Amino acid sequence: GENVEQHPSTLSVQEGDSAVIKCTYSDSASNYFPWYKQELGKRPQLIIDIRSNVGEKKDQRIAVTLNKTAKHFSLHITETQPEDSAVYFCAAKLAGFQKLVFGTGTRLLVSP
Amino acid sequence: DTGVSQNPRHKITKRGQNVTFRCDPISEHNRLYWYRQTLGQGPEFLTYFQNEAQLEKSRLLSDRFSAERPKGSFSTLEIQRTEQGDSAMYLCASSPPGDSPLHFGNGTRLTVT
Repeated sequence: GENVEQHPSTLSVQEGDSAVIKCTYSDSASNYFPWYKQELGKRPQLIIDIRSNVGEKKDQRIAVTLNKTAKHFSLHITETQPEDSAVYFCAAKLAGFQKLVFGTGTRLLVSP
Repeated sequence: DTGVSQNPRHKITKRGQNVTFRCDPISEHNRLYWYRQTLGQGPEFLTYFQNEAQLEKSRLLSDRFSAERPKGSFSTLEIQRTEQGDSAMYLCASSPPGDSPLHFGNGTRLTVT
């Protein structure tokens, strides 16, 4: 089955810096890759997603890139703010199925 | 959009007892999912419904776990003979037809003592 690995497990940056979180997946048949943000004690919330027919997607300060050949995808946050502090999860979905396989999460700490 | 609603928010039970959780999806969403999340981990897939049909089920789901969605609206997840290892946050999510992202509820936190 699909396996998703996520790095780093923790990331500390200064406000205004960029943050990059990387994920790799094992099954080349995966075709949908969402990213979720989860604040302490709250529900995971979708922040951006990308499909396998696209290499890059951007939404204001957040961007996601996908390299299908290498089977990895990354989340890029520019001009980080303290409110970006949270746990971020990547996930992958196999074509034809609805199951999302999540990574183990990255705790992002943005210091003012 | 009132969001995905889950009840109860918290449940403490003794080992060996049965528990049942309820999920009310967003009204237009025909797809419903159950996930389990333990501390420091990502959500782990349990099962998926399209309308009232249970179409995907994780092999992690032992025979003590059962989920239903009898009328294609709300869903229940029952855990029989609970064990301490069942302690986790149980998350429900829903999505509309088509290739759409999941919307998660706030979860039910289960503690088995």
